[in-house]
Amino acid sequence: LAKTTQPISMDSYEGQEVNITCSHNNIATNDYITWYQQFPSQGPRFIIQGYKTKVTNEVASLFIPADRKSSTLSLPRVSLSDTAVYYCLVGDLNTGRRALTFGSGTRLQVQP
Amino acid sequence: DTAVSQTPKYLVTQMGNDKSIKCEQNLGHDTMYWYKQDSKKFLKIMFSYNNKELIINETVPNRFSPKSPDKAHLNLHINSLELGDSAVYFCASSQDPWGGRNTGELFFGEGSRLTVL
Repeated sequence: LAKTTQPISMDSYEGQEVNITCSHNNIATNDYITWYQQFPSQGPRFIIQGYKTKVTNEVASLFIPADRKSSTLSLPRVSLSDTAVYYCLVGDLNTGRRALTFGSGTRLQVQP
Repeated sequence: DTAVSQTPKYLVTQMGNDKSIKCEQNLGHDTMYWYKQDSKKFLKIMFSYNNKELIINETVPNRFSPKSPDKAHLNLHINSLELGDSAVYFCASSQDPWGGRNTGELFFGEGSRLTVL
């Protein structure tokens, strides 16, 4: 299973764009990249998923370079409510072992 | 209606006791999981069941025993509790573990905070 590395924490201000990068140097051919968001006292919540290039939804964008050894979650114009821990997860959707260790995540603190 | 519900939300107990955490999902999913989140926020999978059948068991002490009476329920029983078992335990479910266009999105419960004294 590809190990992921993320910054422990990040700070931002309301209205700014935030980019959180995740390294996954030994990602396998069949692996997808998924990001989750976790608020205090809640379980993680799915944000976005991608395999290559760029994926965008109503919440975020996910940028994946051609070598797929990293990925960047982009949150446009963050607000205070985006303060949370963000987890990058890499796994093979075609097996039952796609959802293992999330790692310690990146704690995003948004200031007013 | 809560999609994935766990009970109890908080549990404080003494070392050596036996306790259970229950989980139910009303999403019609085939696969359920138990995760453990420690004080450093690492979230690690413990078990996964697909249609009541154990498919993942990640090096968890045999004091932990999952039980799935049906595919909507996955309970976690812990024997002889130790201080190191203190953590938040999350139950989750997903539509199925196998490929296709399914994103494999995990739906988590709100967690059960276990404190062992």
